[in-house]
Amino acid sequence: GQNIDQPTEMTATEGAIVQINCTYQTSGFNGLFWYQQHAGEAPTFLSYNVLDGLEEKGRFSSFLSRSKGYSYLLLKELQMKDSASYLCAVREFAGGYQKVTFGTGTKLQVIP
Amino acid sequence: ETGVTQTPRHLVMGMTNKKSLKCEQHLGHNAMYWYKQSAKKPLELMFVYNFKEQTENNSVPSRFSPECPNSSHLFLHLHTLQPEDSALYLCASSHPSGANNEQFFGPGTRLTVL
Repeated sequence: GQNIDQPTEMTATEGAIVQINCTYQTSGFNGLFWYQQHAGEAPTFLSYNVLDGLEEKGRFSSFLSRSKGYSYLLLKELQMKDSASYLCAVREFAGGYQKVTFGTGTKLQVIP
Repeated sequence: ETGVTQTPRHLVMGMTNKKSLKCEQHLGHNAMYWYKQSAKKPLELMFVYNFKEQTENNSVPSRFSPECPNSSHLFLHLHTLQPEDSALYLCASSHPSGANNEQFFGPGTRLTVL
């Protein structure tokens, strides 16, 4: 099984940088995803990490340390539209197929 | 638009009703998923289908019955539900294997059980 932890809520100021952490415990790690979910909408894919290090994609970056069971999502130059829930999801092999388990999500509020 | 559609978008039903949720994907994926999302709880994986075969059933009550007639369509049949089953039901699809099988989600069906 898996145990995924991320903060429930965070608040940050427009234009600032915010880091959302995710820790996990799994026996067959095979990748970590970050998704963004605006209120009332479906989750949308942001990033994917399977090797240690930083993946950068525009204003968003995601970091992974497999030995520590730790990832973070870094959002730069925050905009009001970044107010959303950010879901950490861990993939593992299970029965020959990929299984993805989601964390509870971090609700980010961006304030002026 | 993610290429995954769900109908209906909203559904209100009594505990004795029978209804079905429908999901369709136009992405050429071979894996499809049903998730339940309740307030303040993580996305809960309910069922997984790979190449039309059910590969996972996460201890879901039998009042939820999935059906996958082909790799583009997925149904969730509902009967004798309970009020605690009220939630957002999300469908997703992906490639079953590969380096990055990100899941594409549909808009969800908001279900209310009275």
